[in-house]
Amino acid sequence: GENVEQHPSTLSVQEGDSAVIKCTYSDSASNYFPWYKQELGKGPQLIIDIRSNVGEKKDQRIAVTLNKTAKHFSLHITETQPEDSAVYFCAASIKYSSASKIIFGSGTRLSIRP
Amino acid sequence: NAGVMQNPRHLVRRRGQEARLRCSPMKGHSHVYWYRQLPEEGLKFMVYLQKENIIDESGMPKERFSAEFPKEGPSILRIQQVVRGDSAAYFCASSPGGRWTEPSYEQYFGPGTRLTVT
Repeated sequence: GENVEQHPSTLSVQEGDSAVIKCTYSDSASNYFPWYKQELGKGPQLIIDIRSNVGEKKDQRIAVTLNKTAKHFSLHITETQPEDSAVYFCAASIKYSSASKIIFGSGTRLSIRP
Repeated sequence: NAGVMQNPRHLVRRRGQEARLRCSPMKGHSHVYWYRQLPEEGLKFMVYLQKENIIDESGMPKERFSAEFPKEGPSILRIQQVVRGDSAAYFCASSPGGRWTEPSYEQYFGPGTRLTVT
């Protein structure tokens, strides 16, 4: 089955600097790659996603890139702010028949230093 | 436009008791997913349901765990005879789409139920 690896597990960056989180997936049939942000005591919040027919997508300070050949995808946060501190999860999804299952990475705890 | 709702938010059960977790999907969503999150870990898929149907329960433990999504009312995740290892946060997610249509890719999560087994 699908396996998603995520690195690093913890990341600390100075406020205003950029943060990059990288993921790899194993199943070449995966075709949807969402990123979730989880704050303490809350459920995961979908912040951006990318589909397999697109190589890059940007939304304000957040961008995602996808390399299908290498089975890599990354999250880039620019001009980091204190409110970016959270745990971020990458995920991969296979849509088959009428179902869509998401497999999550293990998470990256991002801390923004003031 | 309320999001995915889960209750209770916190649930304490003694070993051997039953735990019932409820999930109301977003309005217009007929596809519900349950995930389990252990402390400091990612979310693990448990089960995917449409109204009155279990579509994929490949992540569900074979014993003690069951899920349903009736025609009326919330989806229920039921854990019988709980053990300490069941202590975790249980999240429900829903996807847009009607009962007879395929779900969209996007899944929107509720706030979770934190189950503690003493």
